[in-house]
Amino acid sequence: DAGVIQSPRHEVTEMGQEVTLRCKPISGHDYLFWYRQTMMRGLELLIYFNNNVPIDDSGMPEDRFSAKMPNASFSTLKIQPSEPRDSAVYFCASTLGGGLGNQPQHFGDGTRLSIL
Amino acid sequence: QQQVKQSPQSLIVQKGGISIINCAYENTAFDYFPWYQQFPGKGPALLIAIRPDVSEKKEGRFTISFNKSAKQFSLHIMDSQPGDSATYFCAASRAGTASKLTFGTGTRLQVTL
Repeated sequence: DAGVIQSPRHEVTEMGQEVTLRCKPISGHDYLFWYRQTMMRGLELLIYFNNNVPIDDSGMPEDRFSAKMPNASFSTLKIQPSEPRDSAVYFCASTLGGGLGNQPQHFGDGTRLSIL
Repeated sequence: QQQVKQSPQSLIVQKGGISIINCAYENTAFDYFPWYQQFPGKGPALLIAIRPDVSEKKEGRFTISFNKSAKQFSLHIMDSQPGDSATYFCAASRAGTASKLTFGTGTRLQVTL
């Protein structure tokens, strides 16, 4: 079974450009999470969805960041306009909720974003 | 209230030695404590997890020790191997938050020959 798939794996773009990161969760999973990882701040939860509905976006740093989940098999994280301080590795993770909860989160391999 | 503090930031252990990573939390509502392992260029992956109704959980060479009164938990890697070299994250979540995890800052482990 395929894991969480993220694209692109690497993105280099200039400041001010729009950046779109994509994620395909594991089929059947009903929770999807977006994280940002930097040396300074570690792993930060940006937003998470349940059944395609955003539940908690309190980690989204600014209005420049937005996330959507139009269906159960696809999500995007968009940054517009991008700034150098947005440079980081962005991870998507999915899990199956319900029951006793606390199912493991399955992470993709991330998108390494560099804003010049 | 939501913080999970992890130490050390980095750790060098000789092959065959014991690696110990510690975490402390503040929120007494946390009831699930997983450890994730991350290799370079990869996403974190669940290694082992514990709930506060037990004080220890062992899976192979990996053991979690949990001290509820002190609000601390630790990961022990016995007979550490070079293949264990990775970054380790502790995490915690609350009941009813459907897997929303609060992560520690990570420990970079290097196991030398």
